[in-house]
Amino acid sequence: QKEVEQDPGPLSVPEGAIVSLNCTYSNSAFQYFMWYRQYSRKGPELLMYTYSSGNKEDGRFTAQVDKSSKYISLFIRDSQPSDSATYLCAMSLAFSSGSARQLTFGSGTQLTVLP
Amino acid sequence: DSGVTQTPKHLITATGQRVTLRCSPRSGDLSVYWYQQSLDQGLQFLIQYYNGEERAKGNILERFSAQQFPDLHSELNLSSLELGDSALYFCASSVGWGDRSYEQYFGPGTRLTVT
Repeated sequence: QKEVEQDPGPLSVPEGAIVSLNCTYSNSAFQYFMWYRQYSRKGPELLMYTYSSGNKEDGRFTAQVDKSSKYISLFIRDSQPSDSATYLCAMSLAFSSGSARQLTFGSGTQLTVLP
Repeated sequence: DSGVTQTPKHLITATGQRVTLRCSPRSGDLSVYWYQQSLDQGLQFLIQYYNGEERAKGNILERFSAQQFPDLHSELNLSSLELGDSALYFCASSVGWGDRSYEQYFGPGTRLTVT
């Protein structure tokens, strides 16, 4: 079983829809949670970053973390065709000392927003 | 543009050969990370360097090695290449300390094809 599970999709929605992307994880020690967007054959782009449980909003994007359920979500409001990409969740342990910061990624969800 | 640069963009080489991938981190970032992305394995952490020293190691093969130089650029060396090493190789960087050190910014990647 992978540490981080993510539905690969593909997910196809009409323009303007609300998109919900999710990941589950098994390691309860994960404390930092990120969402990356990756366009085809490009480098992942950091979208959202949250620490521990709670919500964080940035424009049309909202990230939610539920540590009790080991479940994280990314919501995209008023989706646009330019949002079509692969979305990767990533997470990291918290290190009280030292500088190790490796990320464990989900497999990514491919999203297409249709005009 | 994340500010992380990688060269070359594409590399085609034969089995058994050795290649070197180069990465320059964002200005001011002390940590450099290397990741491998393949279709079957997704995005996998290889190794992290912080200010010239190795800090974390993932599933990096013994045939692979890396280093970070005094000017903070990093090189990933891949030797005795096999067909299965064909993948996208990404470099990422982050600041040295604090909560923001968990935010990793990725370069555009090097696409390696082993024939």
